[in-house]
Amino acid sequence: AQKVTQAQTEISVVEKEDVTLDCVYETRDTTYYLFWYKQPPSGELVFLIRRNSFDEQNEISGRYSWNFQKSTSSFNFTITASQVVDSAVYFCALIGAGANNLFFGTGTRLTVIP
Amino acid sequence: DVKVTQSSRYLVKRTGEKVFLECVQDMDHENMFWYRQDPGLGLRLIYFSYDVKMKEKGDIPEGYSVSREKKERFSLILESASTNQTSMYLCASSLGTGGPQETQYFGPGTRLLVL
Repeated sequence: AQKVTQAQTEISVVEKEDVTLDCVYETRDTTYYLFWYKQPPSGELVFLIRRNSFDEQNEISGRYSWNFQKSTSSFNFTITASQVVDSAVYFCALIGAGANNLFFGTGTRLTVIP
Repeated sequence: DVKVTQSSRYLVKRTGEKVFLECVQDMDHENMFWYRQDPGLGLRLIYFSYDVKMKEKGDIPEGYSVSREKKERFSLILESASTNQTSMYLCASSLGTGGPQETQYFGPGTRLLVL
């Protein structure tokens, strides 16, 4: 069975604060892929990152960084110095090798207050 | 730049009507997907297609059908709309050379209200 849990339903931060969005996953596959997507108010899901299970290196892209830890089955997403434009719903997703579809978490709504 | 478009942003239909949701991608992608998004449930896969005229059921296919007559177009059909099909519908596509584990690119979504 595959499952993605995003325990934080809603988070509010003040602009310029750092914020971490949690993602915990379950899978029996040894090879799998993890994704983060952003859904701004316009509705379109915007792809942020894709990682495979053999690459545990943390990744940084501008103000965004991702911490992948297989030992805790987590793939957390941190936004540094948050901005109002970061306000959106963020989804974590998982697919196992050989599986046919992505499993999405229920999303975390981030509100950045100016 | 990948572009996935959906025919309508908002749609209001009556119970029992036949509803067509259209999705078009312009990047020659092999794979296309239809999801519905509901509060507290995330995105759930309805159907997907790996090639023209091919389709596979996702997690919640009941009450839906799909059509893929051309590579760039994937249609979702509600044969007889019901109020529990009120939802946000999202279409996605992926390149197809690496299987379903590839990155999926999404359209803007269609908010469907069934009265």
